[in-house]
Amino acid sequence: DAKTTQPPSMDCAEGRAANLPCNHSTISGNEYVYWYRQIHSQGPQYIIHGLKNNETNEMASLIITEDRKSSTLILPHATLRDTAVYYCIVKARGGGADGLTFGKGTHLIIQP
Amino acid sequence: DAGITQSPRYKITETGRQVTLMCHQTWSHSYMFWYRQDLGHGLRLIYYSAAADITDKGEVPDGYVVSRSKTENFPLTLESATRSQTSVYFCASRDTTNYEQYFGPGTRLTVT
Repeated sequence: DAKTTQPPSMDCAEGRAANLPCNHSTISGNEYVYWYRQIHSQGPQYIIHGLKNNETNEMASLIITEDRKSSTLILPHATLRDTAVYYCIVKARGGGADGLTFGKGTHLIIQP
Repeated sequence: DAGITQSPRYKITETGRQVTLMCHQTWSHSYMFWYRQDLGHGLRLIYYSAAADITDKGEVPDGYVVSRSKTENFPLTLESATRSQTSVYFCASRDTTNYEQYFGPGTRLTVT
């Protein structure tokens, strides 16, 4: 699975859009970009995933660059409850070992 | 209630004792996973299972045993607990067609 690079921490004002970047320059053609978050003391929570097209769901939007070497998770109207560690994970589907590889992620702090 | 549950949520045990952590999911997901989370290491995969009676090792399987006699249950046993196994343990599941994993609330295990 491709390695990802994320900033260790970010701040965002409540009500503003939070834009979390992720670099995955070694991504392969069959690898998807997944985003999870972990609110303090809870289990990780799936947010969104994509292959090459931009994706949107009720939680967030995912923008993937045309060369697929980086992506941005967008929380359109951040609230205090969005304070969490956000993980960008690149993974192919299928194959043998099926677990997710979590790096250190980005600690997003929403400021009131 | 539907979802994925773990029990106990907190456990203190002594070195050398056997302890079993339980994981139960109500979605009939084929795949189930066990991760541990330690400060400075993120989440690491211990074992996973693709279906009942099919299990495989992850990144850090030593000292752990798993079984999967029923689709909905995936217990993790520490046969002889050691202090290095003090950690927060997360169980997760996913179905065969969607690769996003859904995590339980975690079990905080302390080995004294």
